[in-house]
Amino acid sequence: GQQLNQSPQSMFIQEGEDVSMNCTSSSIFNTWLWYKQDPGEGPVLLIALYKAGELTSNGRLTAQFGITRKDSFLNISASIPSDVGIYFCAGHLTSNDYKLSFGAGTTVTVRA
Amino acid sequence: GAGVSQSPRYKVAKRGQDVALRCDPISGHVSLFWYQQALGQGPEFLTYFQNEAQLDKSGLPSDRFFAERPEGSVSTLKIQRTQQEDSAVYLCASSLIETQYFGPGTRLLVL
Repeated sequence: GQQLNQSPQSMFIQEGEDVSMNCTSSSIFNTWLWYKQDPGEGPVLLIALYKAGELTSNGRLTAQFGITRKDSFLNISASIPSDVGIYFCAGHLTSNDYKLSFGAGTTVTVRA
Repeated sequence: GAGVSQSPRYKVAKRGQDVALRCDPISGHVSLFWYQQALGQGPEFLTYFQNEAQLDKSGLPSDRFFAERPEGSVSTLKIQRTQQEDSAVYLCASSLIETQYFGPGTRLLVL
C-alpha cells in the first residue's frame, strides 16, 4: 500500500488561481519527487528534491522538501487549463533505494 | 528523441488467459522498472532490472507474474492465468542514472 499520504484528494481550480497540495509520510524519505499524469499517459517528472529544506522552482511550479524529511508540498501559481491532471508525490526511502514509492495522487480539475 | 514505449496500449483478457506486455526502454538506459497502477491509485513497484539481471522482484503480487529482459533492452511482463484483480495499468519506466522516465502504460482489463 501507499506509504505517502497526499492531500487534498481532489481540487477544483479556476484559471489564474494559485493552488497548493502536500504529501506526508510516517517514514523519512531520502528524495522527494513530484510527477504529473495526464489521462492515458505515464507520469512525467515535474520537480525533484534531494535535500531537507530544499526549495526548488520549475516555471510556475514550486516544491519544498520538508525539514523533517517526512513531507513535501507543491505549489502551482497562476494556474492555466493545461494544469489539470493527477499530481503524484513520490520518493526514495534511502539513498540506495531504486524503486519509487508513490502517493495516491491529487486530481486537479478546472472549475466550470 | 524516442521515449519509453509499451505495447499493447490496451488489452482485454478473459479470466484464466495468459497475457504478455512489452516495454521498449529508452536506448542506453540500464535500469528498467515495472509498476502496477490500480484505478484511482498511484503506481506500485513490481520489479527492477539492471541490464538483463532482475535484481528485485519483491513487488510481484504472485507467482503468476513473471518478468524478463533477456538482452538487457526490451522487457516483457507476463501474467499467467489472469484474474479480475489483475486489471490495472502496467507502467514501465527506464533510467540511466536516477530519473525514471515512464511509458504510457498498458491498460489491462480482465473479464
